[in-house]
Amino acid sequence: EGLLLESGGGLIQPGGSLRLSCAASGFTFSTSAISWVRQAPGKGLEWVSAISGNGAGTYYADPVKGRFTISRDNSKGTVYLQMNSLRAEDTAVYYCAKERQWPPDPFDIWGQGTMVTVSS
Amino acid sequence: EIVMTQSPATLSVSPGERATLSCRASQNVISNLAWYHQRPGQAPRLLIYSASTRAPGIPARFSGSGSGTEFTLTISSLQSEDSGVYYCQQYNNWPPGYTFGQGTKLEIK
Repeated sequence: EGLLLESGGGLIQPGGSLRLSCAASGFTFSTSAISWVRQAPGKGLEWVSAISGNGAGTYYADPVKGRFTISRDNSKGTVYLQMNSLRAEDTAVYYCAKERQWPPDPFDIWGQGTMVTVSS
Repeated sequence: EIVMTQSPATLSVSPGERATLSCRASQNVISNLAWYHQRPGQAPRLLIYSASTRAPGIPARFSGSGSGTEFTLTISSLQSEDSGVYYCQQYNNWPPGYTFGQGTKLEIK
């Protein structure tokens, strides 16, 4: 069974930048699409961004478009989320999640999440 | 954007009884709908995809039904570990992206 492990979260001031990482193991990473999904404290799930297995396709939710960039390094089995111009409303637990298959499909493997707090 | 609406917001059911959770899509999503279960402090877990197919390892007491805009998750013979929040997700409208319902909190009496 596959595993995903997020890292890189923390406390950041508004307007700052942060890069999250998602390290994968136990499945064929290079053919697997990966998404980032976030959950604000006490709130529901919100899809943030997705990247196809070969990295050619990247997709973003409107609230983060132009500020966040998703990328991957298949040689390292890792997906990244570069977050710039952070706002208070970006405060959330950020999960990376693997899609069952591509084109878009539900998420069958989730990481444990990493907390991002945007505050002065 | 497709809006997913779940009902009820909270459900309280006794152990051994049945729970029925609903999810409505603002547009036709065919059968491209999934259900997840999330316990406090944990990541979501995929239960159902394609509206009615159980994910590997999911007990048979979980069943999904529906198509188009109306969907139901039924949990028969509730157990204490079934408590938590249940989310539906549509994956038909791609791009622009996935949308989740706001969740139904299931409490076991």
